[in-house]
Amino acid sequence: AQSVTQLDSQVPVFEEAPVELRCNYSSSVSVYLFWYVQYPNQGLQLLLKYLSGSTLVKSINGFEAEFNKSQTSFHLRKPSVHISDTAEYFCAVSDQWANFGNEKLTFGTGTRLTIIP
Amino acid sequence: DTAVSQTPKYLVTQMGNDKSIKCEQNLGHDTMYWYKQDSKKFLKIMFSYNNKELIINETVPNRFSPKSPDKAHLNLHINSLELGDSAVYFCASSQGGGRYMNTEAFFGQGTRLTVV
Repeated sequence: AQSVTQLDSQVPVFEEAPVELRCNYSSSVSVYLFWYVQYPNQGLQLLLKYLSGSTLVKSINGFEAEFNKSQTSFHLRKPSVHISDTAEYFCAVSDQWANFGNEKLTFGTGTRLTIIP
Repeated sequence: DTAVSQTPKYLVTQMGNDKSIKCEQNLGHDTMYWYKQDSKKFLKIMFSYNNKELIINETVPNRFSPKSPDKAHLNLHINSLELGDSAVYFCASSQGGGRYMNTEAFFGQGTRLTVV
């Protein structure tokens, strides 16, 4: 079984300031890690993912996340946020060994990022 | 072309009614899912299908019946709707097939179901 904890339900940040959204997970098996973003009244979009290899992964819009196996964390960071980053951010995990329909995502409860002009 | 499309986007209905939500993906994926997002934005898996076969049924009331006529379509039929069924329902698809094959799930725009 897996679980994901996002301790911060809401994070207000001034525009152009840095931000970190925290994600910790618990799993008895190796997992893949994901950050999904949900803009107001829209569906979920993949922001970035960790499958293997380099523990630092980056998105095209300036976000990055680092997989830390010893701390079972996958925190999301951005050095300078914009108004357009206002959204709900979900951390998720899936079992690396799941296949053929068992690859379900287990989500955290989400963090609402609000950018203050 | 939208990768994963759901219809309708909004659905308002009375308690006791039966309703369906349709989902189609044009990504050629083998696996499709239904997730439920409750009023607190928590997302939870409901069902998954792989090549039209039900794989995951996550203790969902049997008033919910998914149907997959082919691997590109996964519909959700809900009987005798209750107030507690009000939520946003997301369809998703992924390639599946084993380790490192499941790189990500693609989600539809969601169907906001309101039961009054």
